[in-house]
Amino acid sequence: DAKTTQPPSMDCAEGRAANLPCNHSTISGNEYVYWYRQIHSQGPQYIIHGLKNNETNEMASLIITEDRKSSTLILPHATLRDTAVYYCIVRLILTGGGNKLTFGTGTQLKVEL
Amino acid sequence: NAGVTQTPKFQVLKTGQSMTLQCAQDMNHEYMSWYRQDPGMGLRLIHYSVGAGITDQGEVPNGYNVSRSTTEDFPLRLLSAAPSQTSVYFCASSQGQRLAKNIQYFGAGTRLSVL
Repeated sequence: DAKTTQPPSMDCAEGRAANLPCNHSTISGNEYVYWYRQIHSQGPQYIIHGLKNNETNEMASLIITEDRKSSTLILPHATLRDTAVYYCIVRLILTGGGNKLTFGTGTQLKVEL
Repeated sequence: NAGVTQTPKFQVLKTGQSMTLQCAQDMNHEYMSWYRQDPGMGLRLIHYSVGAGITDQGEVPNGYNVSRSTTEDFPLRLLSAAPSQTSVYFCASSQGQRLAKNIQYFGAGTRLSVL
């Protein structure tokens, strides 16, 4: 499995952009990078994913480096409700057709006033 | 739109008891899976299913059984509960493997304590 490395915690002021980094230096050419978040031990929630190009949706932007060895999730205007654990995941397709998301320990983002 | 529904939300068992954690999805998703999450750790895959009648093991399958008789339901069975199975269990579903965009939708979780 491609391994991901994230800082254990980050702080961000409300209204400012939150930039969450992720290293995935062993990622292979056909593996996607996914970001999920988990609020208060609820079920994880999908945020965004990408392969090579930068991506943007209503929740966030994903910047992937040209060599694909790292990426950054950007929450453009963080609010208190964005306080959560953010997981950077490389999606692996299992031999039997299964879909494995390897969750590391993620980054605890704390948004403060 | 209910999404992924897990029952019960909380459960306390005694060592050696058996129980079934229920998971149902109403999105007609092919793929369903079970994860467990222990304190301070990420989620670990227990079992998964790529369609009705097809199941396979994840990374921590011991002590758990699954079956997939319908597209909608994917129950997780603990045959003889052990304290090491105290955890939060999440069920997830997604549309399928052949799609580039394969979002997994998670249930709210079942918090299980084995005494």
